[in-house]
Amino acid sequence: ELKVEQNPLFLSMQEGKNYTIYCNYSTTSDRLYWYRQDPGKSLESLFVLLSNGAVKQEGRLMASLDTKARLSTLHITAAVHDLSATYFCAVGNAGGTSYGKLTFGQGTILTVHP
Amino acid sequence: NAGVTQTPKFQVLKTGQSMTLQCAQDMNHEYMSWYRQDPGMGLRLIHYSVGAGITDQGEVPNGYNVSRSTTEDFPLRLLSAAPSQTSVYFCASRSPGGHEQYFGPGTRLTVT
Repeated sequence: ELKVEQNPLFLSMQEGKNYTIYCNYSTTSDRLYWYRQDPGKSLESLFVLLSNGAVKQEGRLMASLDTKARLSTLHITAAVHDLSATYFCAVGNAGGTSYGKLTFGQGTILTVHP
Repeated sequence: NAGVTQTPKFQVLKTGQSMTLQCAQDMNHEYMSWYRQDPGMGLRLIHYSVGAGITDQGEVPNGYNVSRSTTEDFPLRLLSAAPSQTSVYFCASRSPGGHEQYFGPGTRLTVT
C-alpha cells in the first residue's frame, strides 16, 4: 500500500525567509505532483515530476524528485504573503501506469507573516 | 474548454437520502476519478475510471457508486447518505498520455 507523508504539517514563515517542505512516499511510482490549495478552492497544479533528478522552478517555488530515496522537496525562496496556502504532494499509484489514481500527503499549511 | 465541471457546488442532505454528484470534462480524457477531502487527511480516492464502461474502487469506496457511460461524464452516487460522508468532493481527469491531472471546483456536501 502506497503511503505519502509530508512534513511539516504546519509552517509559519517570515517574509523573506527560505524553507523546504518534504514529501516521502513508500513505494515506486510513475509520477509526483505538487498542488496548492487556497481556502474554499480547488487544487491548483504547481509541478509534475516524472523522473529521478527532475527539478522544476516557478517563481519562488522549486520542486525536486529523488526516486531512489522516494523523496520530493518543495523549496520556498524569499517567502511572500501571497504564498500562504495549503500545499499537497500527491503520488501516482504504484504498479506501472497510475491510471489517474493519486495518493495524497496530509498537506502542509503554510502561513507567511511580515 | 470548460475543463472539469462539478455540480452542485453545495448540498445539504438528511441521513438516508440519496443523491448524485455530477462531474463532466470536455477534454476527451479517458482517466477520471473521485476524491473526498476531509480536514487533516488530504484527499482520498473513492472510485476511478480508465474509460467508458470501466470503473474500479479506490481507497474509500464504501457508500458510493459510480458508472461511466460516456467519456465525458463520471457521476458519483450516494445511495443512503450518512453523516460520515460530510466532506468536500473533487472530481479529476487526465489523458493517458498526458501529465497534468485536472481537478474540478469541488462539491461541499453536508449530511445531517
